[in-house]
Amino acid sequence: DIVMTQSPDSLSVSLGERATINCKSSQSVFHRSDNRNYLTWYQQKPGQPPKVLIYRASARESGVPDRFSGSGSGTDFTLTISDLQAEDVAVYYCQQYYHVPLTFGQGTKVEIK
Amino acid sequence: QVQLRLSGPGLVEPSQTLSLTCAISGDSVSSDSAAWIWIRQSPSRGLEWLGRTYYRSRWYYDYAVSVESRLTINPDTSKNQFSLQLRSVTPEDTSLYFCGRVSHNSIPYWGQGILVTVSS
Repeated sequence: DIVMTQSPDSLSVSLGERATINCKSSQSVFHRSDNRNYLTWYQQKPGQPPKVLIYRASARESGVPDRFSGSGSGTDFTLTISDLQAEDVAVYYCQQYYHVPLTFGQGTKVEIK
Repeated sequence: QVQLRLSGPGLVEPSQTLSLTCAISGDSVSSDSAAWIWIRQSPSRGLEWLGRTYYRSRWYYDYAVSVESRLTINPDTSKNQFSLQLRSVTPEDTSLYFCGRVSHNSIPYWGQGILVTVSS
């Protein structure tokens, strides 16, 4: 199984500042056949299912604010939340779909400082 | 717009079978571009993929190794839904269960989630 490791486990950021979350996969999730990274970022708030923010490492899902961005390739990925808003308080997960079983990171909790 | 409605019991006794159903609207369970999955979430295990089914001229099934001897996922084309049956449950199967639809190698559509407790 591909192991997904996120860092940090939690972070506190002031309103309007930048939050950066890292995700490392135990093997590459880059698919040469279609030149895509099979890496998705989710946001989960209490009592709700996860919501897609970024798919294929850097493509923003429709309706997601542009302060959310994704980058990286191969085994190392980053989710950046610029200009953090109060509504961004949540747990964030990365997930790979390169190989079954689909696997998730352990989650990063973002709070307001 | 795809919507998934999850139904099933919130309490199951140990050694019994957990049965959940995910009803689909806005799409077809037989779609040749979709995959239908089950995921569960618990404090100890985090988000855990359980399995999937999809149709590409025939039905395919994949299961997580941790549950494959106990798990069956069944599509029901007559009702446009798919189901999960997890046999011989133990308290370790207590989790929040989700169904979902895969698109672009991610899961943009989720059922609302159902908390299942295994207890006598």
